[in-house]
Amino acid sequence: GESVGLHLPTLSVQEGDNSIINCAYSNSASDYFIWYKQESGKGPQFIIDIRSNMDKRQGQRVTVLLNKTVKHLSLQIAATQPGDSAVYFCAEMGRNAGNMLTFGGGTRLMVKP
Amino acid sequence: DAGVTQSPTHLIKTRGQQVTLRCSPISGHKSVSWYQQVLGQGPQFIFQYYEKEERGRGNFPDRFSARQFPNYSSELNVNALLLGDSALYLCASRLDSPLGYTFGSGTRLTVV
Repeated sequence: GESVGLHLPTLSVQEGDNSIINCAYSNSASDYFIWYKQESGKGPQFIIDIRSNMDKRQGQRVTVLLNKTVKHLSLQIAATQPGDSAVYFCAEMGRNAGNMLTFGGGTRLMVKP
Repeated sequence: DAGVTQSPTHLIKTRGQQVTLRCSPISGHKSVSWYQQVLGQGPQFIFQYYEKEERGRGNFPDRFSARQFPNYSSELNVNALLLGDSALYLCASRLDSPLGYTFGSGTRLTVV
């Protein structure tokens, strides 16, 4: 079936640097793409979402870019902090799939002080 | 304001046994979804309920069942447990909009 996947399983960055986490998706019919952060022992926490008719959306220290031509999604975190250390998942949602979330495999972000 | 609460937090069961996991959504949230997260992987959709009706089912065997109560809380039941059912089971609730899922911290199920 169609799924969402990630290129890099682990990303290590220096505190204060910018981080970029990438994700590839295969379902062109998805309405929304969402990034989640999951810390150890916790459930996924919503970071930011982007609708399929947009190509960029900014939040606080985070930016999501959507390239529908190559079916690629990225999450940029500015001035990465130790508290950003976690596993990041991209997920897609399609209305024709009952608004269920389809998650990728995750990228672990490690921030070095 | 309480978030999504799940119980128990941890559980150990033997192969062949049955287990019931519980979820209380955020107050006012009418939709509850269940996800299974195997270690090292992303969550996988199991069920979605809205107003006590099943609105979606993922690719899981009939050993998995769920229900939603009038107060919108939900239970996930798994029969004839297999070792491969060991995972973190996540519950998520949302109000009405397609987005806005809030996840609980999950129940860690270990089948031995």
